[in-house]
Amino acid sequence: QVQLVESGGGLVKPGGTLRLSCAASGFTFSDYYMSWIRQAPGKGLEWVSYITTSGNTIYYADSVKGRFTISRDNAKNSLYLQMNSLRGEDTAVYYCARDAVGELRPTFDYWGQGTLVTVSS
Amino acid sequence: DIQMTQSPSSLSASIGDRVTISCRASQTISTYLNWYQQKPGKAPKVLIYAAVNLQSGVPSRFSGSGSGTDFTLTISSLQAEDVATYYCQQSYSTPSITFGQGTRLEIK
Repeated sequence: QVQLVESGGGLVKPGGTLRLSCAASGFTFSDYYMSWIRQAPGKGLEWVSYITTSGNTIYYADSVKGRFTISRDNAKNSLYLQMNSLRGEDTAVYYCARDAVGELRPTFDYWGQGTLVTVSS
Repeated sequence: DIQMTQSPSSLSASIGDRVTISCRASQTISTYLNWYQQKPGKAPKVLIYAAVNLQSGVPSRFSGSGSGTDFTLTISSLQAEDVATYYCQQSYSTPSITFGQGTRLEIK
């Protein structure tokens, strides 16, 4: 069965860095576009970043552009999110999600359980 | 960015009721509209994709309709396990993927 398992969240000070990982299993990871989506406490969903199968095409939300970097290692079936210059407003549960469609018009058909990132001094 | 506005923000209904949740896009998005259900403490789950298509494994009491700017999620007969927050998501304006603010559904 399809599984996505995030890790790497935690408490970090403003201006700090964190690297999230998402381990995929149960499907051919290299065949699917992937995304990171976040949810601030008690708030709605916000798309963060998107990467195509080869990693050649990458998109970011304006709120994280220039600070976050998405990447993937298809040999390790893993997705990553490098987060630099973290701010309080980056505090959220971060989900990795699989795009079922793969035509840059995503439907997120599988999600991980999420990892909590807290940015606070 | 395309803004997605859901209504109502919350609602309370009785078991067996027909429930409708609306989602309006700030500009036309054809049928590039998905619906998700999120139960407390859990990750979202896709219910409807491309406005009208039921995701595999989702109960048939859920249905979606609409195109252009106005969309509806309908639960034909509300069950206790449907208590959740529901989100719409547009995938027309990639890469600026946006979600609605959510509709919290409770049992009366």
